[in-house]
Amino acid sequence: TQLLEQSPQFLSIQEGENLTVYCNSSSVFSSLQWYRQEPGEGPVLLVTVVTGGEVKKLKRLTFQFGDARKDSSLHITAAQPGDTGLYLCAGGGSGNTGKLIFGQGTTLQVKP
Amino acid sequence: DAGVIQSPRHEVTEMGQEVTLRCKPISGHNSLFWYRQTMMRGLELLIYFNNNVPIDDSGMPEDRFSAKMPNASFSTLKIQPSEPRDSAVYFCASSPTGDLLGYTFGSGTRLTVV
Repeated sequence: TQLLEQSPQFLSIQEGENLTVYCNSSSVFSSLQWYRQEPGEGPVLLVTVVTGGEVKKLKRLTFQFGDARKDSSLHITAAQPGDTGLYLCAGGGSGNTGKLIFGQGTTLQVKP
Repeated sequence: DAGVIQSPRHEVTEMGQEVTLRCKPISGHNSLFWYRQTMMRGLELLIYFNNNVPIDDSGMPEDRFSAKMPNASFSTLKIQPSEPRDSAVYFCASSPTGDLLGYTFGSGTRLTVV
């Protein structure tokens, strides 16, 4: 069974601080996606990474896929209150089935 | 496009009653997924369809749960009879074929069974 473990589970920081969220597994994934979920809504896709070692930047967010395609990280620079939410990583398996396995999520609170 | 549309947004029902959740995927998306989200277990995949055909229902917790996709624009998740432990937020998501393009989730149905 493929599992994704996220750490930390909860993070509360002040506006302007930097943070990193980790997503780890013992399994290899064909792709890794990050989603952000706000209260009362469904998760929204932020980014997809598919190549080992790949780094993608989305404004103040930097996403990295591990060389072995078993782990990923999300780094936020100068966090803002609008970044508050639940961050979920999701791994895609082989066979292009479309099935994603989600991590438990990291709840981020950014205080003004 | 209006996105993935789920109804109802909230459902409160008594234990033992039948509950039906509805989903309209994005037009042209070939895959549809039903997930359940709770604080304890996070997002759990219940079942998914490719081209209206159920592919993997191993996540369906019990025979009380059933899902159908009669056509490309509509799916239902039914719980009969419902139990308090079924209380959760149920999400429907759709995707073009393959996992590289990501899911578009609906806003979810918050189910409370009392």
